[in-house]
Amino acid sequence: DVKVTQSSRYLVKRTGEKVFLECVQDMDHENMFWYRQDPGLGLRLIYFSYDVKMKEKGDIPEGYSVSREKKERFSLILESASTNQTSMYLCASSFLLGAGYTFGSGTRLTVV
Amino acid sequence: AQTVTQSQPEMSVQEAETVTLSCTYDTSESDYYLFWYKQPPSRQMILVIRQEAYKQQNATENRFSVNFQKAAKSFSLKISDSQLGDAAMYFCAYRSEGGSEKLVFGKGTKLTVNP
Repeated sequence: DVKVTQSSRYLVKRTGEKVFLECVQDMDHENMFWYRQDPGLGLRLIYFSYDVKMKEKGDIPEGYSVSREKKERFSLILESASTNQTSMYLCASSFLLGAGYTFGSGTRLTVV
Repeated sequence: AQTVTQSQPEMSVQEAETVTLSCTYDTSESDYYLFWYKQPPSRQMILVIRQEAYKQQNATENRFSVNFQKAAKSFSLKISDSQLGDAAMYFCAYRSEGGSEKLVFGKGTKLTVNP
């Protein structure tokens, strides 16, 4: 059963901490994505990667960075967590042109 | 930039009845893909149905079908014979035919199914 796995379901961090959100896919997909989901705002793209060590900014990259050292793993990094980064974070991957995404289960991050 | 609008933040339907969720989008492109995703309360987002813009025939997946009106830039989702398990957030999404694989999502419609 193919899947996208996000390492944490719930996470609570303190303001100013460096936070790592991990995402692993087992489908050999080239493309991987990080979105954040907020009520009333839908899903907004933070960063995406179309190959190992390749990345592109999405619509809201400020305060975030990413790392993709291996094809199967795409990490989202909050350099210095702030309370306005409290959100649901969704990782996704895709392969075939226009085939759509496979999503992870999400990480609910709370920054206190 | 492309935008996707879902004008119904919430909808409700009686079990076994039919409901239609609306989606409009703005683009200057002629080739693209459109998607409907479902996010149940357990949170995992799953693909419901997809449509290629060059295909005139509306996509269908079992009880789910779309009404794709390219000229009107409209892409509505019809759920027939609604079931309690259809209760979820539904997101409409757009993807350009060329360029990257990134999707642009609408803000979602919360569907409640009443027994």
